[in-house]
Amino acid sequence: EDQVTQSPEALRLQEGESSSLNCSYTVSGLRGLFWYRQDPGKGPEFLFTLYSAGEEKEKERLKATLTKKESFLHITAPKPEDSATYLCAVRANDYKLSFGAGTTVTVRA
Amino acid sequence: ETGVTQSPTHLIKTRGQQVTLRCSSQSGHNTVSWYQQALGQGPQFIFQYYREEENGRGNFPPRFSGLQFPNYSSELNVNALELDDSALYLCASSLGGGSNQPQHFGDGTRLSIL
Repeated sequence: EDQVTQSPEALRLQEGESSSLNCSYTVSGLRGLFWYRQDPGKGPEFLFTLYSAGEEKEKERLKATLTKKESFLHITAPKPEDSATYLCAVRANDYKLSFGAGTTVTVRA
Repeated sequence: ETGVTQSPTHLIKTRGQQVTLRCSSQSGHNTVSWYQQALGQGPQFIFQYYREEENGRGNFPPRFSGLQFPNYSSELNVNALELDDSALYLCASSLGGGSNQPQHFGDGTRLSIL
């Protein structure tokens, strides 16, 4: 069965203090790894898809990378508006997304 | 471009009752997936509909059922509600039943069981 583990569970950062979130996965036949951002009371918002080891994607202060066993979401010089829960999900040789429990990021001004 | 919309936003039911949740997919999307998200957890896959047929199901009992309509909107029905069914129910739409296109989520229906 697909397994996705995210760490840490929670991360408190000072504005401008860069950090990384980890997503480790076990899946048979990875078809894609997805990063989402979820604000309180809202649905997940799509950020990135990564398809193969070595691939990188960037959007503003966020950068996602992928290896054969894990993915990292790097947050560079975060701002308070980057505060959210970041979810990682994998898609294997079927139809569903398997999600991790998320990392809740709080950025203080 | 219209995003995924879900109704109602909040719902309170009692044990044993039945509930229907609704979802309108993003324009151009023909695939709808439903997820259950408990507090502090990631979403758990319930099932997926592609062109009005269920083409995948997670580890949920048969009292969780669904429909997809010709306009690709969808319903999630839950019978014999239990206290553990209290959660945020998310609908996501995408293009292509077996493709690797990203799923786009609505803001969910918060279901509380008393």
